[in-house]
Amino acid sequence: QVQLQESGPGLVKPSETLSVTCAVSGDSISSYYWSWIRQPPGKGLEWIGSLYYSGSTNYNPSLKSRVTISGDTSKNQFSLRLSSVTSADTAVYYCVRETAWSYLDYWGQGALVTVSS
Amino acid sequence: QSALTQPASVSGSPGQSITISCTGTSSDVGRYTLVSWYQQHPGKAPKLIIFEVSKRPSGVSNRFSGSKSGNTASLTISGLQAEDEADYYCCSYASSTSPVVFGGGTKLTVL
Repeated sequence: QVQLQESGPGLVKPSETLSVTCAVSGDSISSYYWSWIRQPPGKGLEWIGSLYYSGSTNYNPSLKSRVTISGDTSKNQFSLRLSSVTSADTAVYYCVRETAWSYLDYWGQGALVTVSS
Repeated sequence: QSALTQPASVSGSPGQSITISCTGTSSDVGRYTLVSWYQQHPGKAPKLIIFEVSKRPSGVSNRFSGSKSGNTASLTISGLQAEDEADYYCCSYASSTSPVVFGGGTKLTVL
């Protein structure tokens, strides 16, 4: 059974960098795609970007200038960094396994990150 | 504004059937058979219930079905149950630079 678990600071100051890590068990990040999805409180889902098994990445054009997704195969985990955050980046951040057919079959429980001074 | 358009809310009584629409364009929903649907209960992570327009993952009730016509995909839930009350999101492949685009979500209320 594939399991994903997010971890990271729950509070980040404006203009700083948000960082969340996802530990994967039951599968290798060297297979499939591994993505980040976020959901602001009371709002819908937004795709942030993906890390492919090849090591390449793909980002939402609206966030591309601020996003970095990277993987650590030795720890079987992948990470999200979002720079220059504002209150609009306050959200639950989910790590997800994405298939080549663009559906998201395994989700982490989500990590709430609040941007506030 | 979401890339795909869903009704904000739908409702139905136990035992009834409801359909949630998801309207995109000829560049996403209309072009690919890569539509998926997710169910999200309050405080929980979304759960995949339909993929590739009409396929159900193992363990998902056959009361959930999906279809597509032109630029609009649909999720039908038959024999509504109280536990179906949740938010539902559609999702489609759109392009290599936007492989995952979501609808705004639909809140299903079971009366």
